[in-house]
Amino acid sequence: EVVLTQSPATLSLSPGDRATLSCRASQRVSSSLAWYQHRPGQAPRLLIYGASTRATGIPDRFSGSGSGTEFTLTISSLQSEDFALYYCQQYNDWPTFGQGTKVEIK
Amino acid sequence: QVQLQQSGPGLVKPSQTLSLSCVISGDSVSSSSAAWTWIRQSPSRGLEWLGKTYYRSKWYSDSAESVKSRISFNVDTSKNQVFLHLSSVTPDDTATYYCARQPSGWVVYFDHWGQGTLVTVSS
Repeated sequence: EVVLTQSPATLSLSPGDRATLSCRASQRVSSSLAWYQHRPGQAPRLLIYGASTRATGIPDRFSGSGSGTEFTLTISSLQSEDFALYYCQQYNDWPTFGQGTKVEIK
Repeated sequence: QVQLQQSGPGLVKPSQTLSLSCVISGDSVSSSSAAWTWIRQSPSRGLEWLGKTYYRSKWYSDSAESVKSRISFNVDTSKNQVFLHLSSVTPDDTATYYCARQPSGWVVYFDHWGQGTLVTVSS
């Protein structure tokens, strides 16, 4: 099983700040990585797939990068609606998820 | 616009079978490309992929090793819905359960999710 480790667990930032979230895989997953946003009480939302491709309707302030074992989700300028939980998920093997990074208002 | 509407009991007794429904709109349960997936989330396990069912001239399913002996899926094509059945539940199966669409058989990410159903296993 591929274990995904996300860091940091919590990111305390202000609106307008840049957010950088990391996801490390226990083995190489090529570019088979997705990112999701999860707001409380809502369905998770696909942001990024293929490590760097934005899903339909996702604003361009969200970007993904990386391949192999190291991946990054960047939110260039945080909006109020971006304060949420973020998960990475690999699909190079049976799908597994990271434990999440909470982006909270500082 | 694909939407997934989940329903099912919020409380199940230990040793019984957990059954959840997911009604699909905006796509077909018999899609030749998509797969219909169940994922759960709990504080102890995080997000856990449970399995999927899909149609490719006939119905197939795949499931996680952790639940393979207890999980099954079925569909109602007339109502465009999929069902999850998890038997012999224990308190460890307490979680929020999501149905989700895997848009393509070749890439296993999930582009549409249901709202989630919190299921508590308790007597």
